[in-house]
Amino acid sequence: ETGVTQSPTHLIKTRGQQVTLRCSSQSGHNTVSWYQQALGQGPQFIFQYYREEENGRGNFPPRFSGLQFPNYSSELNVNALELDDSALYLCASSLDWTSGNEQFFGPGTRLTVL
Amino acid sequence: AQSVTQPDIHITVSEGASLELRCNYSYGATPYLFWYVQSPGQGLQLLLKYFSGDTLVQGIKGFEAEFKRSQSSFNLRKPSVHWSDAAEYFCAVGATSGTYKYIFGTGTRLKVLA
Repeated sequence: ETGVTQSPTHLIKTRGQQVTLRCSSQSGHNTVSWYQQALGQGPQFIFQYYREEENGRGNFPPRFSGLQFPNYSSELNVNALELDDSALYLCASSLDWTSGNEQFFGPGTRLTVL
Repeated sequence: AQSVTQPDIHITVSEGASLELRCNYSYGATPYLFWYVQSPGQGLQLLLKYFSGDTLVQGIKGFEAEFKRSQSSFNLRKPSVHWSDAAEYFCAVGATSGTYKYIFGTGTRLKVLA
């Protein structure tokens, strides 16, 4: 059984650019959650997708957006990058979105904004 | 508001000594609780989880944690620390507010002295 994978591993962008991060969920999982982990902080919930619809959102501006595809893989898009967007971005998949379903984390994508 | 507090930002212990990392949570309902470990530049690895039942939970790498509802705590322990345990440790609560997501503490960085 393949776990959660993310691509790319690292990337460097400049302020004002746009970036797309990708996540493949674990087999059988229909829910993907995205988290941002800034340096020295714990991960913070960005948003969640369930069966291709946004199912919940944390305290992040609209320039953070996402997609989920029919195979339940997901993308995180960030427009108009700011220096503070530099962070490790983690995605997690789960069997569904309801309470108690364990989330399985991918290895993360480290984004550096210069 | 739902939150997780890890009071100790840094902890230093000698190899072979015992370890206890503190975690306090604020959540109205019965919590789902987790401990993760993160090595530098890496993703999150699940050490253990509490969903219900026995309040003493065993995890991987010789770690255990005890859920104490009266104290709103879920402290992580290990009887004898190894140098390879040096890492950052995160406590998290699974919270349902809009949707089910994890709320993480800010982490405790563990240093192990040889």
